[in-house]
Amino acid sequence: AQSVAQPEDQVNVAEGNPLTVKCTYSVSGNPYLFWYVQYPNRGLQFLLKYITGDNLVKGSYGFEAEFNKSQTSFHLKKPSALVSDSALYFCAVTLNTNAGKSTFGDGTTLTVKP
Amino acid sequence: GAVVSQHPSWVICKSGTSVKIECRSLDFQATTMFWYRQFPKQSLMLMATSNEGSKATYEQGVEKDKFLINHASLTLSTLTVTSAHPEDSSFYICSALTSGNTGELFFGEGSRLTVL
Repeated sequence: AQSVAQPEDQVNVAEGNPLTVKCTYSVSGNPYLFWYVQYPNRGLQFLLKYITGDNLVKGSYGFEAEFNKSQTSFHLKKPSALVSDSALYFCAVTLNTNAGKSTFGDGTTLTVKP
Repeated sequence: GAVVSQHPSWVICKSGTSVKIECRSLDFQATTMFWYRQFPKQSLMLMATSNEGSKATYEQGVEKDKFLINHASLTLSTLTVTSAHPEDSSFYICSALTSGNTGELFFGEGSRLTVL
C-alpha cells in the first residue's frame, strides 16, 4: 500500500518570502514522487518529479523539492513567493512498477498575500 | 508538453438523464487514462483506470454500471454518468500517461457536473 500525507491544510506566506509545502509518503519500494498544482475549477498541472538521482529537483515556475529518503519526505519549496502562486497543491506518490496510478495527498491551499 | 482536453467544462442536467464527458490526448497517444472525482476542498478520488481496447478497472466502491468508461482509441476516453442524480454532482477530472511513462500525469481541465 502507498500513502501520502500533507499535514497542513493551509499555508499562508507573504509575497517575497520563502514558502514550504510539506509532504511525507509511505511506500514499499522505490517511490516516484510528484507535485501538482490546481487553480480553481481547473485540472491539475504537473510541477516537478523525483524518480532517481539528485535529491533536489527543480520544476516549473521556480519551484523545487527535496527528496529525503530517511525522513520519507518530499517538501515543495520556493525561495520567493508570488501572489500568483496562490493555489491548491497536491503531492503524489507511485511505485516505480505502477507508474501512473498515483496516490494523492489531501492537498494544501497556499495563499500568498501582497 | 502533453496536452489533455476535457469536454464539456460545465454541464447541467436533469435528474435521470445521462451525461457523457470526453477526455482527449491532443498531441500524444495515451494507452492509459484515469478518471477522478473531486469534492469541494477535497483530494482526488480515483474512480477507474481506462485502458485502450479493454474494459476499465474500477476502484472499490465505484459503480461500474453507473459510471460507464470507454477507451475506444489511443486518444479518447469517455465517462458516461448514467441516470444522474443530484448526489452525482461533482468535479470530474481525467488524466493520461504519456508513452514515456515516467509516472507524471497530464490532466484535463475538469468537468463540473450539476444535476438538478
